[in-house]
Amino acid sequence: AQKITQTQPGMFVQEKEAVTLDCTYDTSDPSYGLFWYKQPSSGEMIFLIYQGSYDQQNATEGRYSLNFQKARKSANLVISASQLGDSAMYFCAMREGVGETSGSRLTFGEGTQLTVNP
Amino acid sequence: DGGITQSPKYLFRKEGQNVTLSCEQNLNHDAMYWYRQDPGQGLRLIYYSQIVNDFQKGDIAEGYSVSREKKESFPLTVTSAQKNPTAFYLCASRIFGGPAGELFFGEGSRLTVL
Repeated sequence: AQKITQTQPGMFVQEKEAVTLDCTYDTSDPSYGLFWYKQPSSGEMIFLIYQGSYDQQNATEGRYSLNFQKARKSANLVISASQLGDSAMYFCAMREGVGETSGSRLTFGEGTQLTVNP
Repeated sequence: DGGITQSPKYLFRKEGQNVTLSCEQNLNHDAMYWYRQDPGQGLRLIYYSQIVNDFQKGDIAEGYSVSREKKESFPLTVTSAQKNPTAFYLCASRIFGGPAGELFFGEGSRLTVL
């Protein structure tokens, strides 16, 4: 079964508008972490934001925020005030377990291609 | 500057040849990883290593081999047994004990089998 599901292969947004990229996950482990990465056309993976399963508040990093709904097992990424440079592939990922060496594996979704139009 | 260096960036290989992709990090990270990415798809884990001289298979280890003789180095060999090796390969590393423990990635190596 898919552990990370991103149902939007492609999304379009107008510059300066907000956009939400969907991510649902599946785990029976009570301890886990959720990540979002950005991959521009150059190929490198850029870490954007992290949410721990026990975090009480939604994570925010500048224009990025994570809408974490634990009961629904969703971790949607919200990008506010979109910029042309935000056009890229976006991946949601999960790490199960806690501790220094446990939970080393990150499982990725298939990604959402975001295009920001001027 | 600290980071992860992958080489070569582009590599062409004839069928039946082994090829080794280099991954070096100077971040003093404990764990290192190799992921494979096919066009339009997510990343799939090939191998990972949490300490020197130890490594574990990921989800798609068949046809690949790795070594971890030094903390900073984690080369990946794509063997002739890998049936469809054309892909984009990403190396990553992670330090233990950080609040998020996110992966840091190299810039990738694109392998094409002719």
